[in-house]
Amino acid sequence: AQTVTQSQPEMSVQEAETVTLSCTYDTSENNYYLFWYKQPPSRQMILVIRQEAYKQQNATENRFSVNFQKAAKSFSLKISDSQLGDTAMYFCAFMMFSNYQLIWGAGTKLIIKP
Amino acid sequence: AAGVIQSPRHLIKEKRETATLKCYPIPRHDTVYWYQQGPGQDPQFLISFYEKMQSDKGSIPDRFSAQQFSDYHSELNMSSLELGDSALYFCASSFRTSGGAADTQYFGPGTRLTVL
Repeated sequence: AQTVTQSQPEMSVQEAETVTLSCTYDTSENNYYLFWYKQPPSRQMILVIRQEAYKQQNATENRFSVNFQKAAKSFSLKISDSQLGDTAMYFCAFMMFSNYQLIWGAGTKLIIKP
Repeated sequence: AAGVIQSPRHLIKEKRETATLKCYPIPRHDTVYWYQQGPGQDPQFLISFYEKMQSDKGSIPDRFSAQQFSDYHSELNMSSLELGDSALYFCASSFRTSGGAADTQYFGPGTRLTVL
């Protein structure tokens, strides 16, 4: 069975700093997606970034980038120049190509301090 | 760009009552997913539909049922509500590729259900 582990329950950094959130997963599959979703206090679930396992290049979206290490089954999220609006719960999630269910990590609560 | 629409946004019910949650997927998305999220928890998958047929089933109680209609909107029907059903209910939609591969799920704003 697939599992996703986020080992940091809570993190806090100063505004404008860079922060990295960790995520590891376990699977025997070769074709899958990995996602980071953000859930701010409004509790809307917002897609931050996605990575296809077959792509070697790390995905980037503006200030958000990932470090995808397939062999190590690691998928960390780096937020550069953090902003107050980045304060949220961040969930790492896994999905196989052939199974349409998202497998979620427990989440990391990120607090950006002014 | 159009997003997933859920209604109502907030719902308050008494124990043993019924509730119906509605979801309108992003245009041209053919797959709808329902999730339940309790306070401080990650979302729990309930059920999904592809092309109006049930696709996958998760931890959905027997008291709950759902369907997807011809216009692709979906409804989650919840009966004999219990206090423990109080949660945020998300609907997500995606497009399944011609090869059948899953694609990114986009979430609606959620329906906050409170059972008193």
